[in-house]
Amino acid sequence: DQQVKQNSPSLSVQEGRISILNCDYTNSMFDYFLWYKKYPAEGPTFLISISSIKDKNEDGRFTVFLNKSAKHLSLHIVPSQPGDSAVYFCAAEAGGTSYGKLTFGQGTILTVHP
Amino acid sequence: DTGVSQDPRHKITKRGQNVTFRCDPISEHNRLYWYRQTLGQGPEFLTYFQNEAQLEKSRLLSDRFSAERPKGSFSTLEIQRTEQGDSAMYLCASSLDVKIHNEQFFGPGTRLTVL
Repeated sequence: DQQVKQNSPSLSVQEGRISILNCDYTNSMFDYFLWYKKYPAEGPTFLISISSIKDKNEDGRFTVFLNKSAKHLSLHIVPSQPGDSAVYFCAAEAGGTSYGKLTFGQGTILTVHP
Repeated sequence: DTGVSQDPRHKITKRGQNVTFRCDPISEHNRLYWYRQTLGQGPEFLTYFQNEAQLEKSRLLSDRFSAERPKGSFSTLEIQRTEQGDSAMYLCASSLDVKIHNEQFFGPGTRLTVL
């Protein structure tokens, strides 16, 4: 069963506009959420995270929103730049004895056009 | 380069052969993770180590898979009697266990192709 889902395989955005990537989860034990970015031939790179006690976290052009009641999170990139073109993975982590074990979504390919 | 390194980057083998991959984590990191990624999917957790102790293994890790971290530094992942279904990208990550949730740093991965 897919506990973390990214239902949009791809997203195309114009440079300077907002990119919104979405992620849904089913496991109520998840209490920490992360976004990773992956370029071809490289491993995933950590981008931004959010704890379940918050509903928003910002870091420069990147903002993550968490809606616990809907079990939904989103990553906003404003303004989008061509260098942001990559695969974006949403990941979730449960506390307790499962901490450190990340469960990833399938990824969304973001293309930012100049 | 002080990041996570993996060797080899690519491995092509014939079905039934054994393969071994190596991961060198960031030097001060005490946690080391192995993930597997197949085409069109996100990474899937396989196993992780706290220093030299292997703390959890996924059900994905069949008896043909074994991982070690003998001195709490580098780690190896061995697959015995490889099958075509083992073809995937094998990713290693490390983290420093200082708080409840810690950022994991990933290596570039080893791409395995089983013919």
